[in-house]
Amino acid sequence: DGGITQSPKYLFRKEGQNVTLSCEQNLNHDAMYWYRQDPGQGLRLIYYSQIVNDFQKGDIAEGYSVSREKKESFPLTVTSAQKNPTAFYLCASSPRGDSSYNEQFFGPGTRLTVL
Amino acid sequence: AQKVTQAQTEISVVEKEDVTLDCVYETRDTTYYLFWYKQPPSGELVFLIRRNSFDEQNEISGRYSWNFQKSTSSFNFTITASQVVDSAVYFCALSEARGGYQKVTFGIGTKLQVIP
Repeated sequence: DGGITQSPKYLFRKEGQNVTLSCEQNLNHDAMYWYRQDPGQGLRLIYYSQIVNDFQKGDIAEGYSVSREKKESFPLTVTSAQKNPTAFYLCASSPRGDSSYNEQFFGPGTRLTVL
Repeated sequence: AQKVTQAQTEISVVEKEDVTLDCVYETRDTTYYLFWYKQPPSGELVFLIRRNSFDEQNEISGRYSWNFQKSTSSFNFTITASQVVDSAVYFCALSEARGGYQKVTFGIGTKLQVIP
């Protein structure tokens, strides 16, 4: 079955630590996205990638980093510079990143909690 | 600037009641797409419908229907004869092309609770 997988489902981090959230897709989609979801704030875009080896900052990129070395993978690192990282993180993909037509396909999310 | 407003943060209805979720958007573009997504308790958003800015036909899919009115910049979603399985958070989203990239703006979501 094609889809998007995210791991881990739950992640606990101590203050000052970097953590990496995994996102893999087997849909052969060009574009991938990372969103952060907080209660009452909807989804906010962190980073997006239109093609391999290309990525752009979204609306709230500070304290985060990404890489896109393979088409299937778009890991997100939450660095210690992110002041309030506790949130639900969603990864998504779409067939192409240059058209407003495409719906996005979402993974099941990772819930990150900073202790 | 793009903006999507879902004024209803939480709605509770009794099973079998009809319910309408409101969505109002702002954009200066003439070409854009509107979407609705459902987020069940499991967390994964699921695509429900897409509508382009030039197509104002209403759409019905089973118990779901969508009313797009460009004159009022609204794209409302109605569930007829609601069921407990409809309980979820519903997001409205606006999609535009920006410098060769897709820019999607989500509303804050409406949490629907259907009470048996």
